[in-house]
Amino acid sequence: DAGVTQSPTHLIKTRGQQVTLRCSPISGHKSVSWYQQVLGQGPQFIFQYYEKEERGRGNFPDRFSARQFPNYSSELNVNALLLGDSALYLCASSLGGWTEAFFGQGTRLTVV
Amino acid sequence: EDQVTQSPEALRLQEGESSSLNCSYTVSGLRGLFWYRQDPGKGPEFLFTLYSAGEEKEKERLKATLTKKESFLHITAPKPEDSATYLCAVQGGLSGGSYIPTFGRGTSLIVHP
Repeated sequence: DAGVTQSPTHLIKTRGQQVTLRCSPISGHKSVSWYQQVLGQGPQFIFQYYEKEERGRGNFPDRFSARQFPNYSSELNVNALLLGDSALYLCASSLGGWTEAFFGQGTRLTVV
Repeated sequence: EDQVTQSPEALRLQEGESSSLNCSYTVSGLRGLFWYRQDPGKGPEFLFTLYSAGEEKEKERLKATLTKKESFLHITAPKPEDSATYLCAVQGGLSGGSYIPTFGRGTSLIVHP
């Protein structure tokens, strides 16, 4: 069985640019969540989507946006990149909002 | 605001030396407490979910327990391959059914052969 897949695995962007990260959940999972993890810290919640609707939003600026598609895959967009956006971006899928989440390998974003 | 504090931040053990990791939490209406293992540069790997005080779960050399204020991850006779960062997360009972978990900073475990 395929787990959660994320693309790309690594990305280097310049300050001010925009980036799109992609995530495919485990088959049968309808919920996708996005997290930001900086070195030495635990993952910080950004968004959760369930059945294509936003179900939760963490404390991140409006430069961060996301959406979920009919096949339950998801994209995370970050506009006007800042150096502080450099982090490991994690996607997690779950059956629903109250069940355990399974993570992908992450996308390492470096902003220079 | 939900809070999770993990201790110690780092732990070094000799192979076979059992120990425990601590996760202290404050949350309004605990829906679930989760333990994950994370290897460097990788995504967290799900280990356990605990829902109520007194619950215990085991997997190989790991055993997770839960009280009303904290959870412990006991590691029995660890091996070098158990070296990783162990993350604890809690999910509180927010209105509207939204899922906003709070993670701790993790405990970095190194097991020496």
